[in-house]
Amino acid sequence: LAKTTQPISMDSYEGQEVNITCSHNNIATNDYITWYQQFPSQGPRFIIQGYKTKVTNEVASLFIPADRKSSTLSLPRVSLSDTAVYYCLVGDEYSGGGADGLTFGKGTHLIIQP
Amino acid sequence: EADIYQTPRYLVIGTGKKITLECSQTMGHDKMYWYQQDPGMELHLIHYSYGVNSTEKGDLSSESTVSRIRTEHFPLTLESARPSHTSQYLCASSEYGGSNNYGYTFGSGTRLTVV
Repeated sequence: LAKTTQPISMDSYEGQEVNITCSHNNIATNDYITWYQQFPSQGPRFIIQGYKTKVTNEVASLFIPADRKSSTLSLPRVSLSDTAVYYCLVGDEYSGGGADGLTFGKGTHLIIQP
Repeated sequence: EADIYQTPRYLVIGTGKKITLECSQTMGHDKMYWYQQDPGMELHLIHYSYGVNSTEKGDLSSESTVSRIRTEHFPLTLESARPSHTSQYLCASSEYGGSNNYGYTFGSGTRLTVV
């Protein structure tokens, strides 16, 4: 499975756009990029998934350059409730995570201030 | 509306007791997983299953055991609880292959405290 690297923590303010970048240099041809959000004492929640270029849903946008070695999760106009841990994961529908489950890593602790 | 259910939500139990954490999903997913997570720390995979009668150990060694007799049910059992088992246990499920959206669905977790 491709290893991912993302910042340990980020701070921002309400109303700002937040971009969290994830590096995945060893991404395989069949791999998708998926982002999850986790609040304290809850399970991670699927946010968005993409393969290449740009994907947008009601929650976020995901930007993936042509070489797919990185991806950026964009959260528009964040609020205090967006304070959470964000995980970037890479894998295909069979690795979903692989033979043995996705590796979540440490994620990015996003703190939104008033 | 949750499609994967974990019970109990919180559990405080004495050392040496046997406990079973329940996990059920209504999505017909073949793959199910158990993760263990301490506060502020990473999720660690402890068990997974490809389907009925399939169980495998994950990356993190665990003294717990699991069973998969029905597709929708994936309980986790600790035969003799110890304080070192205190943690949050998260159950998840996913489709296996054939879909562009292979995302995991997680339950709300069971916060276990062994005293």
